[in-house]
Amino acid sequence: DQQVKQNSPSLSVQEGRISILNCDYTNSMFDYFLWYKKYPAEGPTFLISISSIKDKNEDGRFTVFLNKSAKHLSLHIVPSQPGDSAVYFCAARGISGSARQLTFGSGTQLTVLP
Amino acid sequence: ETGVTQSPTHLIKTRGQQVTLRCSSQSGHNTVSWYQQALGQGPQFIFQYYREEENGRGNFPPRFSGLQFPNYSSELNVNALELDDSALYLCASSEGQGLEAFFGQGTRLTVV
Repeated sequence: DQQVKQNSPSLSVQEGRISILNCDYTNSMFDYFLWYKKYPAEGPTFLISISSIKDKNEDGRFTVFLNKSAKHLSLHIVPSQPGDSAVYFCAARGISGSARQLTFGSGTQLTVLP
Repeated sequence: ETGVTQSPTHLIKTRGQQVTLRCSSQSGHNTVSWYQQALGQGPQFIFQYYREEENGRGNFPPRFSGLQFPNYSSELNVNALELDDSALYLCASSEGQGLEAFFGQGTRLTVV
């Protein structure tokens, strides 16, 4: 069962406009939600996170919103830049034994058009 | 400060063989997690090592095993390789259960 879902495999946005990437989850036991960005031939890099007790976290051009009742989070990028073109993974942190494990969605390929 | 490095970057193995993948964690990080990323999917948690002990495991069979060494580097071993084991294997290091995990570039394993 997929506990974290990203239903849009791809998204194209014009440079300077807003990019909105969406993610849904099913497990209420996650304590943090994170967004990672991945360029080809590189590992994922951490972008921004939000605690499950918050509803918004902002860092420069990146804002993550969490709607706990809908079990939905979104990443807003404003303004979008061509360098933002990458695969974006939503991840949720849960517990496995003594470990804090990340459960990832399948990713959304963002393309920012100049 | 060096980042997370993985070796080799690419590998081709035959079904039934065994493989060992290696990961050097970021300086100062004592926790290493391994993930498998199949084509078109997100990374899937295999297991985590903290101070040389496995402290969490995902839904992977026992033929996936690992080690962590005193310098906190780590190995992922896979026995009796199957075609479905073909994937990108990612290693991530963190300090304890810190929120931010730093990923290596991955090892692309192809089983033929």
